[in-house]
Amino acid sequence: QKEVEQDPGPLSVPEGAIVSLNCTYSNSAFQYFMWYRQYSRKGPELLMYTYSSGNKEDGRFTAQVDKSSKYISLFIRDSQPSDSATYLCAMITSGGYQKVTFGIGTKLQVIP
Amino acid sequence: DAGVTQSPTHLIKTRGQQVTLRCSPKSGHDTVSWYQQALGQGPQFIFQYYEEEERQRGNFPDRFSGHQYPNYSSELNVNALLLGDSALYLCASSSLQLAKNIQYFGAGTRLSVL
Repeated sequence: QKEVEQDPGPLSVPEGAIVSLNCTYSNSAFQYFMWYRQYSRKGPELLMYTYSSGNKEDGRFTAQVDKSSKYISLFIRDSQPSDSATYLCAMITSGGYQKVTFGIGTKLQVIP
Repeated sequence: DAGVTQSPTHLIKTRGQQVTLRCSPKSGHDTVSWYQQALGQGPQFIFQYYEEEERQRGNFPDRFSGHQYPNYSSELNVNALLLGDSALYLCASSSLQLAKNIQYFGAGTRLSVL
């Protein structure tokens, strides 16, 4: 079993829809949770990060972490064609040296 | 403020050759990590450098080695290239000294092994 599980998609939605992206994980030591956006053949771009459980909002993006269920989500409101990309969830344990463990990424397409 | 920069952007090599990839971290960052991302996969951790020493290593053979310089820049070296080494190689920087665990990535170097 992988430490981080993520549905690779693809996920196609119409412009303006609310998008829900999710990951589950098995390592209870993970404390930092990130979402990266990666356009084709480019490096990952940090979108949001959350420490421990809770919600965080930034514009059209909301990240949620439920440590009791080992489940994290990213919501995108009013999705735009420019949001079409692969979304990677990522996690780190706290303290010490920081190895990031990534999900496989979900490919999202927002159709005009 | 320059972000993480990597060079070259694209490289073509043949099997058995050796390659060196370079990374300059974001200003203020002291830690550099390297990842390999195969097509359609998430990035896989190769190793991490802090204070010019390798601190953590993922499940990669000794053909993969690295170096960090006093100015925090880093190199990834791969010897005896295999076809399966073709991938996007990503460098990420963070600040261990400031306990900032979030890593910022460069645009990557795309390595093609023929």
